[in-house]
Amino acid sequence: QKEVEQNSGPLSVPEGAIASLNCTYSDRVSQSFFWYRQYSGKSPELIMSIYSNGDKEDGRFTAQLNKASQYVSLLIRDSQPSDSATYLCAVNGDQGGKLIFGQGTELSVKP
Amino acid sequence: ETGVTQTPRHLVMGMTNKKSLKCEQHLGHNAMYWYKQSAKKPLELMFVYNFKEQTENNSVPSRFSPECPNSSHLFLHLHTLQPEDSALYLCASSQERTAATQYFGPGTRLLVL
Repeated sequence: QKEVEQNSGPLSVPEGAIASLNCTYSDRVSQSFFWYRQYSGKSPELIMSIYSNGDKEDGRFTAQLNKASQYVSLLIRDSQPSDSATYLCAVNGDQGGKLIFGQGTELSVKP
Repeated sequence: ETGVTQTPRHLVMGMTNKKSLKCEQHLGHNAMYWYKQSAKKPLELMFVYNFKEQTENNSVPSRFSPECPNSSHLFLHLHTLQPEDSALYLCASSQERTAATQYFGPGTRLLVL
């Protein structure tokens, strides 16, 4: 069983719509959860972190965490073509700073 | 310079060559990481250094040899690589090993012929 799972996509949404990206993880003791955005040919860029159950909003981005269901999601409101990228979910493992990454979901926002 | 820098950005090498990748972080962090990113696969952690000491080797073949002379610099020495080692090699840093927020460099795109 993969430790962090994401739907690889591609996920295609029209401009202005809400994009919903999902991630599940297997390690129940995980404490920290991250979303990275990676443009084609570029390195991952941290866009959101979340540590407790519930929602965390930052501009057009909302991260949602449900530890009981071992599920974390990222919502992008008013999606823009510039949001087109691969979104990586990362989970802090049980050894402190070791991050476990999912394979990423490719998002395409169509004008 | 700010953030995490990596050189070279692109590298083509033969299987008998020896080359080195360099990473430098300007964030005052104490932990540094090497990751491998292959197409359609998750980021793979290779090595972790905390305060210049290697704390993790994720079963990486010996043809990859890391070096961390100080908390700001990290090298990855490459020798007798295989074509399947072609990938994007990413360096990252964090305040310390237990700090989960990591910041990535731009990566080195490696092609082994």
